[in-house]
Amino acid sequence: SQTIHQWPATLVQPVGSPLSLECTVEGTSNPNLYWYRQAAGRGLQLLFYSVGIGQISSEVPQNLSASRPQDRQFILSSKKLLLSDSGFYLCAWAGQGEAQPQHFGDGTRLSIL
Amino acid sequence: GQNIDQPTEMTATEGAIVQINCTYQTSGFNGLFWYQQHAGEAPTFLSYNVLDGLEEKGRFSSFLSRSKGYSYLLLKELQMKDSASYLCAAKDGDYKLSFGAGTTVTVRA
Repeated sequence: SQTIHQWPATLVQPVGSPLSLECTVEGTSNPNLYWYRQAAGRGLQLLFYSVGIGQISSEVPQNLSASRPQDRQFILSSKKLLLSDSGFYLCAWAGQGEAQPQHFGDGTRLSIL
Repeated sequence: GQNIDQPTEMTATEGAIVQINCTYQTSGFNGLFWYQQHAGEAPTFLSYNVLDGLEEKGRFSSFLSRSKGYSYLLLKELQMKDSASYLCAAKDGDYKLSFGAGTTVTVRA
């Protein structure tokens, strides 16, 4: 069966520090991969998605970036975090095909001080 | 782009039925998903509709009307564990989902 791993579960970082969140998927090949951010009490905002290795689509202009160095690895990065980057970050994967739902990792709760 | 609207909160009694409505406006609609999200956790997939009509999965059912841009999630025989946020998400094209802000359902004894 397919599984998705996302880490760390919680992270506290100072303003201006760098960020690297990693997500890996097991048990499937060529998944579509996604990064979302959820502010407290808000809906999910799509940040990036990828349909293949090295292919990244950015949805919201910001100081974050994403990379997909391997088929089942998706990384979210920042060179300098802002206070507004605080939130719940979720990675998700989906199989190919229109009826395939997105399946989410457990999320990373990021607090910027 | 997408505009997804759903009520913010609903309260119901254990054993009752609750219907969560969702309206969407989209340029490239390709299906409607419902997710359940317990506080502090990740969303989990509940249902998918792409054709008009009702899809039933045990105590949960989901309905879609493409011509009206409307869907609902029906929760029957409510249990305390059903207290959660329910997210409506419209698929735009082949890859992207646009999520509503979620409806927080509180089940009271």
